[in-house]
Amino acid sequence: AQSVTQLGSHVSVSEGALVLLRCNYSSSVPPYLFWYVQYPNQGLQLLLKYTSAATLVKGINGFEAEFKKSETSFHLTKPSAHMSDAAEYFCAVSEGFQKLVFGTGTRLLVSP
Amino acid sequence: DVKVTQSSRYLVKRTGEKVFLECVQDMDHENMFWYRQDPGLGLRLIYFSYDVKMKEKGDIPEGYSVSREKKERFSLILESASTNQTSMYLCASLVPRGENQPQHFGDGTRLSIL
Repeated sequence: AQSVTQLGSHVSVSEGALVLLRCNYSSSVPPYLFWYVQYPNQGLQLLLKYTSAATLVKGINGFEAEFKKSETSFHLTKPSAHMSDAAEYFCAVSEGFQKLVFGTGTRLLVSP
Repeated sequence: DVKVTQSSRYLVKRTGEKVFLECVQDMDHENMFWYRQDPGLGLRLIYFSYDVKMKEKGDIPEGYSVSREKKERFSLILESASTNQTSMYLCASLVPRGENQPQHFGDGTRLSIL
């Protein structure tokens, strides 16, 4: 079975600082990986998804993620945090019937 | 844009009640999913459906059932609500064309069982 590990339940950054949210996956086959964001009192919104076409994936709102097979990682980054980025972020891997297995989430806190 | 609509944002019910959570999508998606979200646990799959009248158990189906009589509607049923079913419930859908199609989520129903 697939699994996803997100290190750090909370990450705090200052506005303008680099954002790095970590995700490691366990998969016996080439994985289909996703990052979702959840703003307060809302559902999940797709940030980006990994396709085998490129290891560096660009998403919405300036986020990107790099797939590293050797490290089984798919970390999410943004060069400069904005107050509006404060939210909870979920990494997920797809398995049969396109079900998603989610990590436990990382809450990003952005201070002025 | 895909629209996944959950009938209630907040719901309060009593222990032992039969509870229905409704989800409707407007994009003719084949696959639909119900998750529950709890702090520190992320999202866990309860049930999913890949066609009308078809259903499959997810990781935590105990105490729940589902119904899919029409393609656009997927209902989650708590047969006899218990306090440990207090949670946020999220519905999602997707069209399974290609291997990595994203799921589209509703805004969630925050259910409290008293």
